Amino acid sequence: AQSVTQPDIHITVSEGASLELRCNYSYGATPYLFWYVQSPGQGLQLLLKYFSGDTLVQGIKGFEAEFKRSQSSFNLRKPSVHWSDAAEYFCAVVDGNKLVFGAGTILRVKS
Amino acid sequence: SAVISQKPSRDICQRGTSLTIQCQVDSQVTMMFWYRQQPGQSLTLIATANQGSEATYESGFVIDKFPISRPNLTFSTLTVSNMSPEDSSIYLCSVAWTGGNIQYFGAGTRLSVL
Repeated sequence: AQSVTQPDIHITVSEGASLELRCNYSYGATPYLFWYVQSPGQGLQLLLKYFSGDTLVQGIKGFEAEFKRSQSSFNLRKPSVHWSDAAEYFCAVVDGNKLVFGAGTILRVKS
Repeated sequence: SAVISQKPSRDICQRGTSLTIQCQVDSQVTMMFWYRQQPGQSLTLIATANQGSEATYESGFVIDKFPISRPNLTFSTLTVSNMSPEDSSIYLCSVAWTGGNIQYFGAGTRLSVL
């Protein structure tokens, strides 16, 4: 079975600072990878996805992620964080016809 | 994507009762899924709702506890039966089109069982 590891449970960054959230996956072939965001009291919103091709993918809200096969990683980045980015972020990988999620990383933004 | 509506958005229920959660999509979708997110935890797939046939349950989830219906391509229900406090969770519906690789989620139902 596929698995996803998000090593950081909590991350705190200052508003305007850059952000990188880590995600490592286990999968033999080329994985289908996703980042979702869950704001307090909300459902999950798809930020971006990687299926194949260019390893740097752009998403909504100014986020991007880079697929690195050699490191089995798919880290999420944003150059300048806004207070509204405070939320929980989930990395996920397709396993058959279902999504396997990481444990999530809670992002706190301090002013 | 699609507009996915879940009802109710939240509920507080008594132990031993059942709650049915509805998921309505504004367009026909191939696949519908139900996930559980326990407090402070990630999402776990309960089952895939199949139109016109029985749902496909993941390991650890059974039909008697989580009966699911999917009468058409835009609607599904999940029932949480004979509830206990351990069932307090967020229950989320997601949908996908052919291929099923990209899933879109509803806002979830926040359930508390007393």
